[in-house]
Amino acid sequence: KAGVTQTPRYLIKTRGQQVTLSCSPISGHRSVSWYQQTPGQGLQFLFEYFSETQRNKGNFPGRFSGRQFSNSRSEMNVSTLELGDSALYLCASSPTVYYGYTFGSGTRLTVV
Amino acid sequence: GIQVEQSPPDLILQEGANSTLRCNFSDSVNNLQWFHQNPWGQLINLFYIPSGTKQNGRLSATTVATERYSLLYISSSQTTDSGVYFCAVVEDYGQNFVFGPGTRLSVLP
Repeated sequence: KAGVTQTPRYLIKTRGQQVTLSCSPISGHRSVSWYQQTPGQGLQFLFEYFSETQRNKGNFPGRFSGRQFSNSRSEMNVSTLELGDSALYLCASSPTVYYGYTFGSGTRLTVV
Repeated sequence: GIQVEQSPPDLILQEGANSTLRCNFSDSVNNLQWFHQNPWGQLINLFYIPSGTKQNGRLSATTVATERYSLLYISSSQTTDSGVYFCAVVEDYGQNFVFGPGTRLSVLP
């Protein structure tokens, strides 16, 4: 079966712009989580959605937001980009929160 | 919140050698997974192992939940095993992964 698909793979944006990243989970998976990976902070949890509801949110500013659609696809948005937002953004899906997660290949965002 | 430590931070092996990676966590967990991050950034799920022992080919893992640690064993290492290995846990009543800092493994030919 198809894995977790993230688009785009690479993105270059200018400070102050906004960006939207997309994640299509494995078919049948209703939980989608987003993580940010940077060299300095490692892998940090952004938020988790289950059946279109945000159930949990990490310690990130309000510029980071997300949503989940009825088909379980998820998007995350970062507004007013800062240089420090440059990172690998990873999406993971799972049938439920108490089960193994599968990660996508990630979107590498560079803010210049 | 829960703390996750991994050791060693870096490991250099000759091809064919065996290795043990350790993950310590500070509180009870209901989910623990080991991941391998490949050079392109993708996290590959190796084991879902909140407790017990599992084996998959040259890799095996053991989690002793009562003592709050997990071990990942790699036998007869190959150059393709190189990369960063992460331990990630979900604490009881939690809903998201907390990742350890990772172990960077380099397998030399």
